[in-house]
Parts: sequence; C-alpha cells; structure tokens
Amino acid sequence: EPEVTQTPSHQVTQMGQEVILRCVPISNHLYFYWYRQILGQKVEFLVSFYNNEISEKSEIFDDQFSVERPDGSNFTLKIRSTKLEDSAMYFCASSDEVGARTGELFFGEGSRLTVL
Amino acid sequence: QKEVEQNSGPLSVPEGAIASLNCTYSDRGSQSFFWYRQYSGKSPELIMFIYSNGDKEDGRFTAQLNKASQYVSLLIRDSQPSDSATYLCAGRATTDSWGKLQFGAGTQVVVTP
Repeated sequence: EPEVTQTPSHQVTQMGQEVILRCVPISNHLYFYWYRQILGQKVEFLVSFYNNEISEKSEIFDDQFSVERPDGSNFTLKIRSTKLEDSAMYFCASSDEVGARTGELFFGEGSRLTVL
Repeated sequence: QKEVEQNSGPLSVPEGAIASLNCTYSDRGSQSFFWYRQYSGKSPELIMFIYSNGDKEDGRFTAQLNKASQYVSLLIRDSQPSDSATYLCAGRATTDSWGKLQFGAGTQVVVTP
C-alpha cells in the first residue's frame, strides 16, 4: 500500500542550528502538507503546498520555516535557526485532489525533532 | 480564533460496548468535519468525514453533525481492544484551503476486555 515516508525519524539538534526534514509523498498525490504536534498538544497545521507554491501557511510558519519540492519525489521542511519551542513531532501529509477536498490526508509516521 | 474542543478522557469502554465521543467547535464558518484515529506514537489516520447535518454511518462507526449546536460526535459500536487509541476531531472552514484542518486535542479511548 502506498505510504508517505519521512526521514529522519528522530533528529536531535542544538538551538540555532538548521534542520531539514524530508518527506516522500505518495507518488500520484499533488497536494502536500506539514503539520506538527508538540508533545501532549494538538496537531497543528503549518503549511500546504500545491503546484510548486505555498497555498496557505499558519502563523506558526514564520520566516524561519521554508518548504521546497527539490525534485519530483521529495518535499522538505527547513527550519533555519531552531529554537527550543520547535521541539515537536513533524508530520508530512499528502493527498490527491479528491482527498484534499474530502480531508483525507495521508500522514507519514513523523519526524521527531528535539532541540537542545 | 477557531477552536475545536474535545474531552481528553481517557474514556474507558468495555469490549463490545458503544464508545461515544464528542466535539464542539467555535467557528460557524467550519463546514467540514473529520475524525482521525491516532495510535500512540503513530500518525493520524482518517476514519470518517461529514459535511451535512445528521448521521453518517461507516461500518461500526457513526458520525453525527449538528451545525446549529456546533457539535460533532463519533459513535463506535461493538468496541474492540484494537479501537484503543486517541480520536482526533478536526474541522475545516470554507475559507480555508484544502487540507488545512483545525484539530482538537483528542479523546483517548481505552477498550477493556
């Protein structure tokens, strides 16, 4: 069964360092998303991406964050200068057009980011 | 501020019984609602979506929506130990882009044999 894959599964970094989280969405999906979940808190929307541009971003997604689809398969989230409060599980998700409309997002298993 | 509120639980349910989960939302612009299941340490997985007032059934799951009361619920019939998970309610406003979901904090369900 097709799945969204994310790497790394866990990354530990020092405050102020740059981090890149990688995702391979399901191959025929065209809508891509990043969500995050701070431990014990809600799953929060960060950004949606379609047709090589950001569709919408939340207030969390400030200038420290960026997304990129560098090739036909990868979708990345970059955090330029990590802060302690960036520690969270970051979920990549993808959907086809029907899924985007119906809310059926396929989530990856997540990348846990720990900022020390 | 758009808020989706859920009772965090845990909701303890005997095997074979009905689990009833509730969710309220503050944004009257929310038109679409979703129930996701999240096993501990895993990613969310869509169970059902509902757009219209009333009930929607899918197997052992029934979602109910009451837009006037800004209330969404999920019933799980014949609960099984494998249903033990956190259930996330999510909403989406018509003004939001596709795929932008507002999640609640989730209700933990524990099905006891």
